[in-house]
Amino acid sequence: GAVVSQHPSWVICKSGTSVKIECRSLDFQATTMFWYRQFPKQSLMLMATSNEGSKATYEQGVEKDKFLINHASLTLSTLTVTSAHPEDSSFYICSARALGYTGAYNEQFFGPGTRLTVL
Amino acid sequence: QKEVEQDPGPLSVPEGAIVSLNCTYSNSAFQYFMWYRQYSRKGPELLMYTYSSGNKEDGRFTAQVDKSSKYISLFIRDSQPSDSATYLCAMSARGGSQGNLIFGKGTKLSVKP
Repeated sequence: GAVVSQHPSWVICKSGTSVKIECRSLDFQATTMFWYRQFPKQSLMLMATSNEGSKATYEQGVEKDKFLINHASLTLSTLTVTSAHPEDSSFYICSARALGYTGAYNEQFFGPGTRLTVL
Repeated sequence: QKEVEQDPGPLSVPEGAIVSLNCTYSNSAFQYFMWYRQYSRKGPELLMYTYSSGNKEDGRFTAQVDKSSKYISLFIRDSQPSDSATYLCAMSARGGSQGNLIFGKGTKLSVKP
């Protein structure tokens, strides 16, 4: 159980185009989904937190107009990288927290990630 | 100084060896400590979770937290080739929905048959 999928697993696009990445919780409902970015040999860095039906909360330094997040349902969140540039090339990974979870720590189930290359 | 420091390796050990993976941190407010395992082209999966200082054991895995030294460790006994993966430490200051995770860079482990 607790499977999170991402699509696509990798994408190559031209500079200036937009790319949409989907994150789905396959066997559970997720009130909250998280989007991370990982540059080579760097840590996973939280970009934003999205709650179903409300606007995402972006971390400091992350441009909300560039990284559009939509969490339209309890099983789907999307990240759209608008007007992508080569410096946006990275590994984007989402995670989801299950509806009704009240545990002591911030339990998240991670997707397999999406490798974005902007030419 | 980064909040969480982790040697990226790579670390190569023979099958059956005891593996020690470590992270140091600077934020004394961290209370929740986690170890994730990430296989190639897969998302991180939670291995161990520890609150505050102390040890926790689960099968071949033991997690240790020393808050006085701001140092956490993951030990793997009788390592197997299937343990070959990247191991990420993560920590947070607050629990539940408030606890954003701060990750280390991950240590790439290879266990040779």
